[in-house]
Amino acid sequence: KAGVTQTPRYLIKTRGQQVTLSCSPISGHRSVSWYQQTPGQGLQFLFEYFSETQRNKGNFPGRFSGRQFSNSRSEMNVSTLELGDSALYLCASSLVGTGGFRNTQYFGPGTRLTVL
Amino acid sequence: DQQVKQNSPSLSVQEGRISILNCDYTNSMFDYFLWYKKYPAEGPTFLISISSIKDKNEDGRFTVFLNKSAKHLSLHIVPSQPGDSAVYFCAASLQAGTALIFGKGTTLSVSS
Repeated sequence: KAGVTQTPRYLIKTRGQQVTLSCSPISGHRSVSWYQQTPGQGLQFLFEYFSETQRNKGNFPGRFSGRQFSNSRSEMNVSTLELGDSALYLCASSLVGTGGFRNTQYFGPGTRLTVL
Repeated sequence: DQQVKQNSPSLSVQEGRISILNCDYTNSMFDYFLWYKKYPAEGPTFLISISSIKDKNEDGRFTVFLNKSAKHLSLHIVPSQPGDSAVYFCAASLQAGTALIFGKGTTLSVSS
């Protein structure tokens, strides 16, 4: 079974621009979560989608948004990029996202975003 | 404040010996705990998990122990191999939650 895939793997943008990252979950997984990894803050939860609905959201500004499509694929958007948005953005999928083992999340390779 | 803490940033072990990675948490409502391994420029790889109703779970060379009264869990790797050298993250989730709360990670170095 193919793993979680993310595109693109690397991205360079300038301040003020916006960016869209894409994630395809493991086949059969309906929950998709997004995380930001930075050296200072570690891995932080951004949001989670299930059945095309945002079910949970972390403590990030409204510039960070996402969506999920009917095939469970998900996109994440960051508008008005800031230097501090430079990070590794990770997508993870799980069966249904709640309840013990059902929330075992499998991660993609990530998208390395650099904001200049 | 950090709800999941990995107080040792690094650990060095010789090949063949046991590696013990530790994790403490503060939220007693966490009911599912996971360990991930991460290489640079890659996403975390799921290793092993444990439910709060258990105190031990084994999978090959990996064993996770949970002490709920102490709010502490540990990952034992026996025997350690050079290929185990990576950053190890502890994570926790609430029963009805969807977010994983991660510790800051411990870098394990296994020398041959």
